[in-house]
Amino acid sequence: SAVISQKPSRDICQRGTSLTIQCQVDSQVTMMFWYRQQPGQSLTLIATANQGSEATYESGFVIDKFPISRPNLTFSTLTVSNMSPEDSSIYLCSVEDNEKLFFGSGTQLSVL
Amino acid sequence: KQEVTQIPAALSVPEGENLVLNCSFTDSAIYNLQWFRQDPGKGLTSLLLIQSSQREQTSGRLNASLDKSSGRSTLYIAASQPGDSATYLCAPNTNAGKSTFGDGTTLTVKP
Repeated sequence: SAVISQKPSRDICQRGTSLTIQCQVDSQVTMMFWYRQQPGQSLTLIATANQGSEATYESGFVIDKFPISRPNLTFSTLTVSNMSPEDSSIYLCSVEDNEKLFFGSGTQLSVL
Repeated sequence: KQEVTQIPAALSVPEGENLVLNCSFTDSAIYNLQWFRQDPGKGLTSLLLIQSSQREQTSGRLNASLDKSSGRSTLYIAASQPGDSATYLCAPNTNAGKSTFGDGTTLTVKP
């Protein structure tokens, strides 16, 4: 099973700033996924990141707000740009390995 | 669009009880369905993956069943323990990797 390292584990940020979250996988994977979990809610898919192409964003999420990089088959970053308190959430990266989804430990973001 | 409902939203039981968590989904054209547990403020841990062609899958004290045609899955936990306290999420997968998550059932097992 894939092992995913995600960092930072938590951060407190000021309104208007940006935060970049990193996700490292211990094996090469084709697709990586970024999810958001708002307080008290379930997971919502932000985008799918494929190596060598632009990320595919779900409805309600745009590249200017959540730029994603995928420089190789084991690494991806998600940036939360121009943050507001509404961006306070847990952000999770995920990969599919043998049809199973595996998740990083999440980044708990608080925006003041 | 896939919609996933989990019932009950919360459940509190004494240690040792057997319990059933329910998951229903609207689009039965799924490849598989995965059950996860999530501890507060943490990521998700995969519990069981059940393929669309399977009826059930077992791992230790956990048993997941799937009735694809009726859009239902259940997670059975035998002999519950305080360490089982967590939120349990089901996620049917209709499009490679793009699973839809339910809101979860928050389980508390009292010693």
